[in-house]
Amino acid sequence: DVVMTQSPLSLPVTLGQPASISCRSSQSLVHSDGNTWLDWFQQRPGQSPRRLIYKVSNRDSGVPDRFSGSGSGTDFTLKISRVEAEDVGIYYCMQYRHWPHNFGQGTKLEI
Amino acid sequence: EVQLVESGGGLVQPGGSLRLSCEVSEFTISSSWMSWVRQAPGKGLHWAAHINPVGSDKYYVDSVKGRFTISRDNAKNSLSLQMNSLRVEDTAVYYCVIWSSSVHWGPGTLVTVSS
Repeated sequence: DVVMTQSPLSLPVTLGQPASISCRSSQSLVHSDGNTWLDWFQQRPGQSPRRLIYKVSNRDSGVPDRFSGSGSGTDFTLKISRVEAEDVGIYYCMQYRHWPHNFGQGTKLEI
Repeated sequence: EVQLVESGGGLVQPGGSLRLSCEVSEFTISSSWMSWVRQAPGKGLHWAAHINPVGSDKYYVDSVKGRFTISRDNAKNSLSLQMNSLRVEDTAVYYCVIWSSSVHWGPGTLVTVSS
């Protein structure tokens, strides 16, 4: 199975400051069709997860542009340009190139 | 607004069975992959089962293979998960998820396996 490794697992941040989360996969997530199947999800306290980014760098509708995704192959990053209070929660990367699809361990963002 | 409502969770003894259902409204599921993703209390997200739009291809993680069965009824716009031989480690919130151009999650239903 593909192993998804996130770092850090805990991320204390200051409001208005940037934040960055790393996600590494044990196998390449590049498909033969050229797509890279890596998404990012946010789970606010007490809520269901919500997708923020799909296929590495595409923001979902309604996601603030302070969120951005980048990376390739096996190394990926989620960046928040200026953290706001509503960004508190746990962030997960997820690969769906290989079955079983799986999530990283999660990164807890705290103000 | 798309709504997913899971039901069927509850307390069950080890070795018991439960059937989870997910009713979907304001969205036609017939063209979408769907999944059950679970989250143990205070833990991360884990896939359980995945099904293609017509229900012909089903995928399970090893830990539930042979015990869980995912199915769908596109006419009723619903997804199900039959869970047999339940174990303590199956205790989790089970989310119904629709994978389309956007991703839709239900609020989840809690399954507790305990004696």
